Amino acid sequence: EIVLTQSPATLSLSPGERATLSCRASQSVSSYLAWYQQKPGQAPRLLIYDASNRATGIPARFSGSGSGTDFTLTISSLEPEDFAVYYCQQRSNLITFGQGTRLEIK
Amino acid sequence: EAQLVESGGGLVQPGGSLRLSCAASGFTFSSYSMNWVRQAPGKGLEWVSYISSSSSTIYYADSVKGRFTISRDNAKNSLYLQMNSLRDEDTAVYYCARDGIVGATGFDYWGQGTLVTVSS
Repeated sequence: EIVLTQSPATLSLSPGERATLSCRASQSVSSYLAWYQQKPGQAPRLLIYDASNRATGIPARFSGSGSGTDFTLTISSLEPEDFAVYYCQQRSNLITFGQGTRLEIK
Repeated sequence: EAQLVESGGGLVQPGGSLRLSCAASGFTFSSYSMNWVRQAPGKGLEWVSYISSSSSTIYYADSVKGRFTISRDNAKNSLYLQMNSLRDEDTAVYYCARDGIVGATGFDYWGQGTLVTVSS
């Protein structure tokens, strides 16, 4: 099983700041990685697919990068609605999710 | 627009069974692979099972293999999850989720979820 480790567990930032979230895979997943945003009481929303492609309707402030074992989700300038939990997910070998990063308002 | 609506959740005793359904609309259901993903209370996301568009390929997470069965009826635009031998640790919100662009990584549409509680 491929294990995805997200860091940090919690990130405290202010609106307008830049957020950098990390996802590390226990073995190479090539570019078979996605990022999701989840708010309380809601289903996850796809942000990024195949490591660096924004999903339909996702604002340009969200970007993804990386390949192999190290991936990054960057939010260039935080908006109030961006504070949520973020998950990465791989499908190189079956499907697994990371444990999540909680992005909270400082 | 695509829509997924789960149903069938509820309270069940350990060792019991439950069948979840997911009704799809707004897209050509028979063209897409589908998944079940669950989330225990206060915890992260856990993928449960995958089924290809024609049902020819099926995968399960180790935690449910041998107990859960995924299926679909393309004529009824519906996805199912038969859950047997339920355990306390199966308590979670269960989401159905659509595979996105063919060959791409990412579930582009999700249902609102249905809560399964396993307790005596």
